[in-house]
Amino acid sequence: KQEVTQIPAALSVPEGENLVLNCSFTDSAIYNLQWFRQDPGKGLTSLLLIQSSQREQTSGRLNASLDKSSGRSTLYIAASQPGDSATYLCAVTDQTGANNLFFGTGTRLTVIP
Amino acid sequence: NAGVMQNPRHLVRRRGQEARLRCSPMKGHSHVYWYRQLPEEGLKFMVYLQKENIIDESGMPKERFSAEFPKEGPSILRIQQVVRGDSAAYFCASSGPGNTIYFGEGSWLTVV
Repeated sequence: KQEVTQIPAALSVPEGENLVLNCSFTDSAIYNLQWFRQDPGKGLTSLLLIQSSQREQTSGRLNASLDKSSGRSTLYIAASQPGDSATYLCAVTDQTGANNLFFGTGTRLTVIP
Repeated sequence: NAGVMQNPRHLVRRRGQEARLRCSPMKGHSHVYWYRQLPEEGLKFMVYLQKENIIDESGMPKERFSAEFPKEGPSILRIQQVVRGDSAAYFCASSGPGNTIYFGEGSWLTVV
């Protein structure tokens, strides 16, 4: 059974700092991996999706990498801003491509002005 | 194009009552998914539906929970005889031909 782990569970950084969030998964036979953002009391917003054949994806100040063989992904946030404060969730789908997402428990990020 | 719409956003039920959560997928989407987020836990898949069909309900509790996605109208997640442990955020998501999945803002169920 696929298990997704995210560390750290919580992170506080001063504004402007670059940071890395980590995600690991136990079964490397994935179809894709997604990073989501969740604000308190809100739904999920997809940030980046990496197909299993890809190594990384970039969007603005965000860069996500995928090392499928080792079961790891990182989300790099450059020049963090207070508006980046949220919970970041990592999720993988299996190789059927079905949208049964396996989620980690998230990293709660606080960017201090 | 409205996103995935869930209602109610917040629902309070007494133990033993029924809870009905509704989800309207994005326009043009025919695939609906329900996920549950228990306090301090990650989101867990519950059920995947297409119009009038349950495709995968491997994450649904065996008793008291049911889901439907009728030909007309929203998808409904129904929880009968609620217990305190059912208190959670229930998220609906939908996808269409491009297979990109979009989440609603969730329904927060509190059982008192």
